[in-house]
Amino acid sequence: QKEVEQNSGPLSVPEGAIASLNCTYSDRGSQSFFWYRQYSGKSPELIMFIYSNGDKEDGRFTAQLNKASQYVSLLIRDSQPSDSATYLCAVRSDYKLSFGAGTTVTVRA
Amino acid sequence: NAGVTQTPKFRILKIGQSMTLQCTQDMNHNYMYWYRQDPGMGLKLIYYSVGAGITDKGEVPNGYNVSRSTTEDFPLRLELAAPSQTSVYFCASRGDQQGTDTQYFGPGTRLTVL
Repeated sequence: QKEVEQNSGPLSVPEGAIASLNCTYSDRGSQSFFWYRQYSGKSPELIMFIYSNGDKEDGRFTAQLNKASQYVSLLIRDSQPSDSATYLCAVRSDYKLSFGAGTTVTVRA
Repeated sequence: NAGVTQTPKFRILKIGQSMTLQCTQDMNHNYMYWYRQDPGMGLKLIYYSVGAGITDKGEVPNGYNVSRSTTEDFPLRLELAAPSQTSVYFCASRGDQQGTDTQYFGPGTRLTVL
């Protein structure tokens, strides 16, 4: 059974702080890793993708991948109220993408 | 490019009715997917297609059917609707290679079965 697990939320952080989201996956053959953001009532939108071990930065977002530990994380620096959403971790194996249940982040002004 | 479009946006069905959810993409993607998302839950894969004429079951295919006669279109058919099929349905598509394998989602169809 291929599974993707995310740290349970909700996660509440003050404005300007760092939000840290974690994700583990079970399939060692997974090839691509994604973080999606989903606002309430909307469809998921891509924030980051990462394919290789290490860090990848894009603006205030940093994705980290450790294939040996089967672990992916997302850091949101300088959190803003507009970052309040549910964040979905997704892992691709072969043709399919498996999603975690999501972590809801609330940024307090 | 319009990306991935879905119709209708909302629908209420009675138990036992049937309907087709439409999905179209204009990115020439071979891979297309149907997901359902129940409240507070992640996305569960219903069916997927790796190209025109080729479809396969995902995690939760029971009660649904699909077809893929063209690259652009991937309709999802609900036969004999049941209350358990009340959900939000998302269609998605992606490119073939790593580097283009980001999935793009349509806006969703919110379905209620009463």
